[in-house]
Amino acid sequence: AQSVAQPEDQVNVAEGNPLTVKCTYSVSGNPYLFWYVQYPNRGLQFLLKYITGDNLVKGSYGFEAEFNKSQTSFHLKKPSALVSDSALYFCAVRDWDTGFQKLVFGTGTRLLVSP
Amino acid sequence: EADIYQTPRYLVIGTGKKITLECSQTMGHDKMYWYQQDPGMELHLIHYSYGVNSTEKGDLSSESTVSRIRTEHFPLTLESARPSHTSQYLCASRLPGLEAPLHFGNGTRLTVT
Repeated sequence: AQSVAQPEDQVNVAEGNPLTVKCTYSVSGNPYLFWYVQYPNRGLQFLLKYITGDNLVKGSYGFEAEFNKSQTSFHLKKPSALVSDSALYFCAVRDWDTGFQKLVFGTGTRLLVSP
Repeated sequence: EADIYQTPRYLVIGTGKKITLECSQTMGHDKMYWYQQDPGMELHLIHYSYGVNSTEKGDLSSESTVSRIRTEHFPLTLESARPSHTSQYLCASRLPGLEAPLHFGNGTRLTVT
């Protein structure tokens, strides 16, 4: 079965510093990976995805993610954090076992950016 | 912002009541999903649909039911609400294709007293 792990419940970073939110995955085939962000009292918003191609994927709001096949990781990064980036972040992988119809989500990481 | 709407945003009801959570999307997406989100953040898939008249149960056992009579509408019904149903319910839809991301509504926060 496909799975993703987000090892950190919370990440704290000062505004202006680089941030990394970690995600590792386990899949039985090619990984189709996604990052989503959730602001308070809102649904999830799509940030970026890796399907194939360049290992560095750029997405919304200045975020990017680095796909590393050997380490089975897909870490989310941003060069300079903003207070407004404080939110919940979810990594997800498409589920091969159900004909790709479903996404398997990680448990989420709370990002807190301090002024 | 994606054009997917959930109503109501907040609902407080008593035990035993029947409720329907509404979800509508104007994007013409065939695939739609319902997720239950714990207070601790984790998302659990409870129902999904490939298209009209197609519904499937998700990973988390749920006492809710869904219907898909129209492409744009995917309501979720609880016949008899219980305190254990207290949660946030998120509806989502997407285009076909493995690369297509999910578009989420803003959710319904349900409290059963």
